[in-house]
Amino acid sequence: DQQVKQNSPSLSVQEGRISILNCDYTNSMFDYFLWYKKYPAEGPTFLISISSIKDKNEDGRFTVFLNKSAKHLSLHIVPSQPGDSAVYFCAASGFTGANNLFFGTGTRLTVIP
Amino acid sequence: SQTIHQWPATLVQPVGSPLSLECTVEGTSNPNLYWYRQAAGRGLQLLFYSVGIGQISSEVPQNLSASRPQDRQFILSSKKLLLSDSGFYLCAWSMGPGELFFGEGSRLTVL
Repeated sequence: DQQVKQNSPSLSVQEGRISILNCDYTNSMFDYFLWYKKYPAEGPTFLISISSIKDKNEDGRFTVFLNKSAKHLSLHIVPSQPGDSAVYFCAASGFTGANNLFFGTGTRLTVIP
Repeated sequence: SQTIHQWPATLVQPVGSPLSLECTVEGTSNPNLYWYRQAAGRGLQLLFYSVGIGQISSEVPQNLSASRPQDRQFILSSKKLLLSDSGFYLCAWSMGPGELFFGEGSRLTVL
């Protein structure tokens, strides 16, 4: 039962344009959301997060938007750079214990120079 | 600062052979520790987590096991590997709900 879903397995964007990665979740108890970036043969690294009390969080070129009513969040990268090419995982957390981080299946972003 | 290391980075094992992946965390005490697996075409699947020495919780039934013999050491094992055990294994730590910090990963290929 996939509680966090990333329905687009891949996305290609031209350098300099905006990349929009989407994520949907089913559990209304989730209250903290994270995005991780993963390069091949490396562990994921934390990118940006958002609490359910907010609808937007911005960090440089990265902005995460949260729509609680739709149970949807998105990651915007602008402008996109070739170094952004990686797999992006969406994750959600609820305060139910130590094992409370649920990951999506990932979206592979390719930024074309 | 905190660091996490896991090894080996890559291994190729025959079906039926044993497995041992090791993970250590430095620079923190009493972390929560996790083993995740990323199989081909799938997301990150939580396999085990631990909130303290000797305390292991399993999330999915499988022929893998985990142990935490010391506060900052987490070991993933199998007595007999299956083909389906192939994947990218990730150790991670946290100090509670929220952000996880991942190791470099271990690529396991079972032939």
